[in-house]
Amino acid sequence: DGGITQSPKYLFRKEGQNVTLSCEQNLNHDAMYWYRQDPGQGLRLIYYSQIVNDFQKGDIAEGYSVSREKKESFPLTVTSAQKNPTAFYLCASSPRFRGAWTEAFFGQGTRLTVV
Amino acid sequence: GIQVEQSPPDLILQEGANSTLRCNFSDSVNNLQWFHQNPWGQLINLFYIPSGTKQNGRLSATTVATERYSLLYISSSQTTDSGVYFCAGALRLYGGSQGNLIFGKGTKLSVKP
Repeated sequence: DGGITQSPKYLFRKEGQNVTLSCEQNLNHDAMYWYRQDPGQGLRLIYYSQIVNDFQKGDIAEGYSVSREKKESFPLTVTSAQKNPTAFYLCASSPRFRGAWTEAFFGQGTRLTVV
Repeated sequence: GIQVEQSPPDLILQEGANSTLRCNFSDSVNNLQWFHQNPWGQLINLFYIPSGTKQNGRLSATTVATERYSLLYISSSQTTDSGVYFCAGALRLYGGSQGNLIFGKGTKLSVKP
């Protein structure tokens, strides 16, 4: 099946720890994105990548890091510098069509809780 | 500024009723999408609708890009339609799209049996 797979579904982190959220896609999309959702809110962009080995900060990148070593994979690390990491994290990807980015598709999300 | 605004924020319907959700977006945004977030948090793609009208079963959407708004119509609503509906637009860049989406705050729909 083609799609975007995020793992794990639930993640618990102790204060001071770094954790890495996985996002893999087999849609052959060039662009990948990480969003954060807080209760009752819309989604906010953390990082995005439009090509392998390149990525850009979004609106709330502080305390997060990413890598894009393969087209299929865009892992997100939540570092101990992120002051309020408890949230729902969603990964997305989108293709190019005639040079323009088009419809984005989302994974099922990872719910991160700091304990 | 860059904005995507949705209305109403909350909507309660009886099963079988029709509804219209609205999304206004600023000049900095294009390539509208509508999503339904289910109770487990997954975002389900409903429509990719930069302009014009599309229909999928009981749902349809219209985007009037020149007037910076989009509408999502739900007819004969069912309890399974409950959840949060988001519209999102891509950030415009040099006449094209940068790809990353700007989200509205959503409309929370509750359909009662």
